[in-house]
Parts: sequence; C-alpha cells; structure tokens
Amino acid sequence: QKEVEQNSGPLSVPEGAIASLNCTYSDRGSQSFFWYRQYSGKSPELIMFIYSNGDKEDGRFTAQLNKASQYVSLLIRDSQPSDSATYLCAVSRQGGKLIFGQGTELSVKP
Amino acid sequence: GAGVSQTPSNKVTEKGKYVELRCDPISGHTALYWYRQSLGQGPEFLIYFQGTGAADDSGLPNDRFFAVRPEGSVSTLKIQRTERGDSAVYLCASSTRLAANTGELFFGEGSRLTVL
Repeated sequence: QKEVEQNSGPLSVPEGAIASLNCTYSDRGSQSFFWYRQYSGKSPELIMFIYSNGDKEDGRFTAQLNKASQYVSLLIRDSQPSDSATYLCAVSRQGGKLIFGQGTELSVKP
Repeated sequence: GAGVSQTPSNKVTEKGKYVELRCDPISGHTALYWYRQSLGQGPEFLIYFQGTGAADDSGLPNDRFFAVRPEGSVSTLKIQRTERGDSAVYLCASSTRLAANTGELFFGEGSRLTVL
C-alpha cells in the first residue's frame, strides 16, 4: 500500500464549477498535510497546508482534513482554466521530508 | 540567487556512464532535498540534508546513487553506472528549517536525465 494515494484522473470540470481532489494516507500518526500544484513541465509549488481536523480556507481553495478516516481533500471553487494542472497531496515526516502522492490531473474546460 | 538553480537542465547519457547533477539552493536555506519524478508520478524522496550532513538518505534506491553537500550550500547528486530506469526528472528543493516544518519546499526546475 502506498503511503499517499490519489486518483490520477484526469478530472475534468467546466469553468466556474467546484473541483474536488481527494487523497488518502496510510500512516495514522501523520500530522501535517500539504497540497502542491504542478503545471505541466514545471516544478511543484505549495498551495496550502493543514494540520487540524476540519476545513481551512484560502481564497478559492479549501483544504479538508479528517484524521479518523485518514483523508485529505482540496476543493477549488469557481474553477478557472488557469487551475488546470496536476495537484499533489503530500504528508510530512520527521525533519520536513514530504511524501507525495502520484498526483491528480485537473482539466478546467472553458 | 532568486530561486533554486539546477544544472544541467537536460542530460542525455549512455547506459553505464557516470552522471553528476548540481543544485544551488536559495541563499540562507539550510535544508536541501533531492526528489526524483517519473512521468505521471509524484516526486519520490531520495535524500535530505540539514546543513552539510545527510539527515535522511532512506530514499536512495541503491549504492549507485550518492549525494554530497560539502559546504552546506551547493549539493551534487551523483549516479554511477547509469541504467535506463534512472531516466527521470531530478528535482532539488530547499527550505529554511521553519519552512520545512510547514511543508514549504522551494523547488528548482529540475534536471531531466535520459539514459539511452
């Protein structure tokens, strides 16, 4: 079982819709969770991090964490074509090492 | 520099050759990470430095892979006797110690290695 699992997609949503990206993790002791965005041919960049159960909102992005279910999600409201990218879920380990999932490719259609 | 710099951006080599990939982190960043990313996959952790020492090298796939950071700044990833399966984009990232705890790694643009 992979430490961090994501549906590879592609996930296709129309412009203006809500995109929902999901991630599960295997280590119940994991404490910190991250979403990175990676445009095609580019390097990953951090969008959000979340530590506590519940929701964390930042502009059009909302991260949700449920530690009991070992589940993390990212919602993107009012999706734009510029949001089209691969979204990587990551879990931190001691010292700041991040373990990444395989990523979900999101396509927002105009 | 303004960001993490990696050289070369592209490297094509033949099976069995030796390769060095260089990473110049953001000035002042004490933590430096190497990841490997294959097509359609997420970044795979290789090794992490805090200062000059390798704090965690558990991701290095075998003894053909080695990395150094002798002065606590620039790092070199060294691959001996390259194999076709080593073909991937090698990503370097750096962070301040605090940023590492929040997961904010600053990635370079990567070195694309192709082994023929």
